[in-house]
Amino acid sequence: DARVTQTPRHKVTEMGQEVTMRCQPILGHNTVFWYRQTMMQGLELLAYFRNRAPLDDSGMPKDRFSAEMPDATLATLKIQPSEPRDSAVYFCASGSDRGWGQARYEQYFGPGTRLTVT
Amino acid sequence: AQSVAQPEDQVNVAEGNPLTVKCTYSVSGNPYLFWYVQYPNRGLQFLLKYITGDNLVKGSYGFEAEFNKSQTSFHLKKPSALVSDSALYFCAVRDWGDTGRRALTFGSGTRLQVQP
Repeated sequence: DARVTQTPRHKVTEMGQEVTMRCQPILGHNTVFWYRQTMMQGLELLAYFRNRAPLDDSGMPKDRFSAEMPDATLATLKIQPSEPRDSAVYFCASGSDRGWGQARYEQYFGPGTRLTVT
Repeated sequence: AQSVAQPEDQVNVAEGNPLTVKCTYSVSGNPYLFWYVQYPNRGLQFLLKYITGDNLVKGSYGFEAEFNKSQTSFHLKKPSALVSDSALYFCAVRDWGDTGRRALTFGSGTRLQVQP
């Protein structure tokens, strides 16, 4: 049963510390998405990768957030320095936009990383 | 541009009654439409989607959705609600004609509460 995995599941850190969240997309998927979910803002798209290249990171605060895909099996989201307003659940999702199959454009979500910045 | 609206923050329904969660969309061309469900402390799970063909789409857990092009709607329905259906539901859209730079656009979510 293929799943998106995310680590860590929970992270508590102090303001100013660096936070790195990791995501392993489903094998064979060529698109990866990072979302942030809060009560106030709902689900926000932070970054979108296609074939490991960033396509859209307009939703990401550029001064402190960065997203990368060092290889096809790993996506990272880094916050440096972290602030209390970054407290949220961060989701990674993967999918495929290849061909014209029925699964095209479906996104499969990981369990999320719950980040608390004190 | 593509957008999706879920006009209700919360829907309350008694167990055994039919439920409807509303979604309207806006795209330049033809839409791909999706429904996702989120249970507490979990990621979003795919429920169903419309790409083309029959306007009534059947999905997981007895849910179905009806695509209405004239009303630009894609409402989620279930004939008989269960307490275990209580969750947060998201509608999402993507424009067929987009050549690849756009991700899905998600609605703000509707919390479904099914009372015993």
